[in-house]
Amino acid sequence: EVQLVQSGPEVKKPGESLKISCKGSGYSFSDYWIAWVRQMPGKGLEWMGIIYPGDSDTRYSPSFQGQVTISADKSISTTYLQWSSLKASDTAMYYCARHSGGYNSWGQGTLVTVSS
Amino acid sequence: QAVVTQEPSLTVSPGGTVTLTCGSSTGAVTSGHYPNWFQQRPGQAPRTLTYDTSNKHSWTPARFSGSLLGGKAALTLSGAQPEDEADYYCLLSYSSLRVFGGGTKLTVL
Repeated sequence: EVQLVQSGPEVKKPGESLKISCKGSGYSFSDYWIAWVRQMPGKGLEWMGIIYPGDSDTRYSPSFQGQVTISADKSISTTYLQWSSLKASDTAMYYCARHSGGYNSWGQGTLVTVSS
Repeated sequence: QAVVTQEPSLTVSPGGTVTLTCGSSTGAVTSGHYPNWFQQRPGQAPRTLTYDTSNKHSWTPARFSGSLLGGKAALTLSGAQPEDEADYYCLLSYSSLRVFGGGTKLTVL
C-alpha cells in the first residue's frame, strides 16, 4: 500500500526556522514526483512546488520561489519542506502528494502555526 | 502566473446534476493542461476524483465525470448524494508548473 506519512504539528515563533517531512512507503520512492501544497486557514489549495527524488530535480511556483526550500533524501524515502525565517503568514496546513495518475496519494498534512 | 477560475459556490438537489467548471486566464483549457479534479471534505486531505481530463481512480464514484466543455475543464456530478457536499478543486498544468483553482463549495440541498 502506498503511504505518505508527514511529520507532526509545529508551533513556531516568527523568524524561526523549520523543516517538515513527508516519508513515502509501499512504492519505489525515487521514481515519482512529490508535490507540496499549502492550505491557509479557511482557504483553498495552493501548489507550492514539486521534486523528483531520483535526482532532486525541483520546480517551484513563482509564488513560493525563494520563500521555501524543497529537498529530498532518497536513501530514507523522505522529502522536506523548509523555511529559514518563518512569518505569521506561513501559518497553514501543508500537504505532500505523490504525482501518479494525478495526485493519487496524499499525506495526512502537517499543521504549522507561527505566532509570537 | 496563470490564474485558474472556478465557481465559488454551487447548490444541487439530492439526485440532481451539476457541472463545475475550471477556466484559465491564458485561454481555452485543453487536454494539454491535464486537468485534475479533487474533492476535499472538512478536516480531511484532498483526494483525486479525475485526472488527465477524464480518467478516474478506483475510488471515484461513477456519478462523477471529467470533461472539456466550452473551453473549460468540467466536472459533472450526476445523481448527487448528501456525502458529495464538499469543496472541489481543479488543478491545471502549465509546462512543469501547476496551478489550483480557487475551489467550489458544493452544497447538496
